[in-house]
Amino acid sequence: DAGITQSPRHKVTETGTPVTLRCHQTENHRYMYWYRQDPGHGLRLIHYSYGVKDTDKGEVSDGYSVSRSKTEDFLLTLESATSSQTSVYFCAISSYQGATNEKLFFGSGTQLSVL
Amino acid sequence: QKEVEQNSGPLSVPEGAIASLNCTYSDRGSQSFFWYRQYSGKSPELIMFIYSNGDKEDGRFTAQLNKASQYVSLLIRDSQPSDSATYLCAVLRGGADGLTFGKGTHLIIQP
Repeated sequence: DAGITQSPRHKVTETGTPVTLRCHQTENHRYMYWYRQDPGHGLRLIHYSYGVKDTDKGEVSDGYSVSRSKTEDFLLTLESATSSQTSVYFCAISSYQGATNEKLFFGSGTQLSVL
Repeated sequence: QKEVEQNSGPLSVPEGAIASLNCTYSDRGSQSFFWYRQYSGKSPELIMFIYSNGDKEDGRFTAQLNKASQYVSLLIRDSQPSDSATYLCAVLRGGADGLTFGKGTHLIIQP
């Protein structure tokens, strides 16, 4: 998966608990993304990062925060998990060198269940 | 209006035939267009991208783009059972702020 590791691969947690998902890349790419995938909704962007400590919100950012202290790591935190955040979470990376040379590569995903 | 529209399927195609997958998008400023393949329980895998009007071929795959009609398609020739998957259409509006995805089309190749 293009040098992208997501952890954990599976997690079950309870409503109201904090959860942190980790994405680690070995490609030294500048851009990193968190998506969630739900039946009937497809892939939706949560947050993205365009450099160390530089992040921005995506389409469905409410209830999520992110941090990027190193180029290789991008963390997604659910401060207080809710059942609506049960989903498959994918991290993606890109070297972005222009709109005609953009390729997004995905990690293996994290299946999160909030009970 | 959904930004990227795909027919969810399932689309059933006999083995050896041509599978045709379609996608429309709403933002005329979209610059690049992508097709990802996703097997059940797996992550999306990039198979084609196109940014100029016309056709782009790669092996058994052909991507077609018509910006005037805001329409992207993917043709899979000589379809194989291993092509059975969900195909995601995605667009890049510009910049590095991520791709916008359609909900995907479930393709079934019947042996």
